[in-house]
Amino acid sequence: DAGVTQSPTHLIKTRGQQVTLRCSPKSGHDTVSWYQQALGQGPQFIFQYYEEEERQRGNFPDRFSGHQFPNYSSELNVNALWLGDSALYLCASSLPGGRARNEQFFGPGTRLTVL
Amino acid sequence: DAKTTQPPSMDCAEGRAANLPCNHSTISGNEYVYWYRQIHSQGPQYIIHGLKNNETNEMASLIITEDRKSSTLILPHATLRDTAVYYCIVRANFQGGSEKLVFGKGTKLTVNP
Repeated sequence: DAGVTQSPTHLIKTRGQQVTLRCSPKSGHDTVSWYQQALGQGPQFIFQYYEEEERQRGNFPDRFSGHQFPNYSSELNVNALWLGDSALYLCASSLPGGRARNEQFFGPGTRLTVL
Repeated sequence: DAKTTQPPSMDCAEGRAANLPCNHSTISGNEYVYWYRQIHSQGPQYIIHGLKNNETNEMASLIITEDRKSSTLILPHATLRDTAVYYCIVRANFQGGSEKLVFGKGTKLTVNP
């Protein structure tokens, strides 16, 4: 049973460029959440996708956008990169809410460096 | 903002119990207490969660005070591999989606040989 997978593992971009990160959820999960983790900080919620729609969004600008595909995999896109976007980007998958046990399972993350 | 308060760091001797406290004085009646940990350079890992009763699983025990304003995560026999940042999170479960996790800075637990 594969867990949450993310690609690529590491990425280096320059300011102003655009980046796409990918996530495949754990088998049987249909909800995907994205988090940004700056160095020394806890992860910060970006947004969540369920049934191919964005259901919740954190305090991130419109430069951050996403998509969920029919197979539940997801992409995170960031436009007009700036230095402050350098971080570990984490994807987490889960079952739909309302269940007694509804933990989120995290992938290993994508380390993005913006130069 | 995170709704929990945790000490920034703690130390524990290998083989001893590690007791990690968390304050969540503004917790609502429908909010659960979740614990995750993050080992260096990995994604966070779910440990345990509870509503008002104490909980135990193969990884840890969770003790929640009767007024639910604080809790303690207990690792009964800490090993070097338990060295990680431990996050205490309060979160509601609701129909139709999985509520986001709001992380604070957590507690950096160092298990010493």
